[in-house]
Formats: sequence, structure tokens, C-alpha cells
Amino acid sequence: GAGVSQSPSNKVTEKGKDVELRCDPISGHTALYWYRQSLGQGLEFLIYFQGNSAPDKSGLPSDRFSAERTGGSVSTLTIQRTQQEDSAVYLCASTRTGLRVDSPLHFGNGTRLTVT
Amino acid sequence: AQSVSQHNHHVILSEAASLELGCNYSYGGTVNLFWYVQYPGQHLQLLLKYFSGDPLVKGIKGFEAEFIKSKFSFNLRKPSVQWSDTAEYFCAVNAENAGNMLTFGGGTRLMVKP
Repeated sequence: GAGVSQSPSNKVTEKGKDVELRCDPISGHTALYWYRQSLGQGLEFLIYFQGNSAPDKSGLPSDRFSAERTGGSVSTLTIQRTQQEDSAVYLCASTRTGLRVDSPLHFGNGTRLTVT
Repeated sequence: AQSVSQHNHHVILSEAASLELGCNYSYGGTVNLFWYVQYPGQHLQLLLKYFSGDPLVKGIKGFEAEFIKSKFSFNLRKPSVQWSDTAEYFCAVNAENAGNMLTFGGGTRLMVKP
């Protein structure tokens, strides 16, 4: 596709359930980022991938959060045993080669997660 | 660790007023700086960026930002805002020792009254 695609666009789940969020980056983009946008909290960095590996996992809030990327393309963010504080918009972004002047970050529309 | 502060959380202006949104970062070395904008119902998009060279950077839609290294600042400006500039604005920094990590500020919600 032409842009970063995230699915689902909205997800409502019960506390304690597991959820899986998907991101399809722009074709050929090697770097992929996950951010969380909570009301009044700005964008919180979660994790980024260079190819299939994640050089920095420091942003993951807890061990309930995990992410993987396969084939240098699709990434999934999994949240186990969801809590109400996990409610937020989860944003994915990709860039062709990393943060270079000619390689801007492209964002998807996000997945709005609501934990009831 | 790099961090970014946007001190103005909400700004309300009338059309044609001048705009300046503050952005300060904490890292003392070389940085790349960005402003992103999120219009209502749309995804985040790049407004402008600074990597090197002229510290006064011009972006889309008449926006500009000035990198002042001594003040660790990268404030966003526009001489005359329009109603269509109503959006949330995010400053972001990538420090030279942070690889490809991009850290965002908390955002500033701008409302322009017609």
C-alpha cells in the first residue's frame, strides 16, 4: 500500500484478555517504530525495529508487552492480560533507512485500544 | 537519555495572530530535531526537520523553526495562523548517541478561532 497500515483501527477488550495489534509498514522500509499516545501524555516510545531485530526495547512498559517483526515487514505488538491503563492509541511508524534527512518517519492511523 | 519538553499544552489564538510554540530538549551533543503535526482525525505528519546547516528551518504551510543550540531549543513559529492550523503539534529529538530512537514531547494543542 501507499502508507503505513495498522489493524484493527479500534479494539475494545475486557481487562485480563490478550490483544494483538498489527502494523504493515511501507514496502521497503527497514525501520519500524511503535509509540503509544495516551490522552494528555503525548507520544510514548515503546520499541523500534531495524530489520527484524529490536536494538532498543527500553520503552516497553512491562513484561506484558512484547513485539516482533518478521520478514523485515509486518510487526505485531502483543499485550497480555490487558489492564485499563493500557487504553491508548498505539501508533506505528516506518522509515526507509532510519532517521536520516532524506528518510522521514511515516505514521499509520493507529489502533485505538479500550480496555473495559 | 534524551528528553523533550513542550511547555505550552494548550494554545488558543485568533486567526492572523502570530504563533510560537516552545520546544526544549535535554541532550548536550549533536541532535536532529523535528516538528510533527496531527490534524483532527488524521495521522501524524512531518512539518519540518533540522539535521545540520542553517539553524532557521522552513517547513510546509508557512511554518518555520529556529534551532538555538545554546538554549537547547527548537521553537516553532508562524507569522499568521489560519483556522486550518488547528491541530496538535509535537516536537521530537534524535540524539547522536541514540541510534534511530526518536523521542517526542508531550504535544501542544493549538486551537485557532475563526
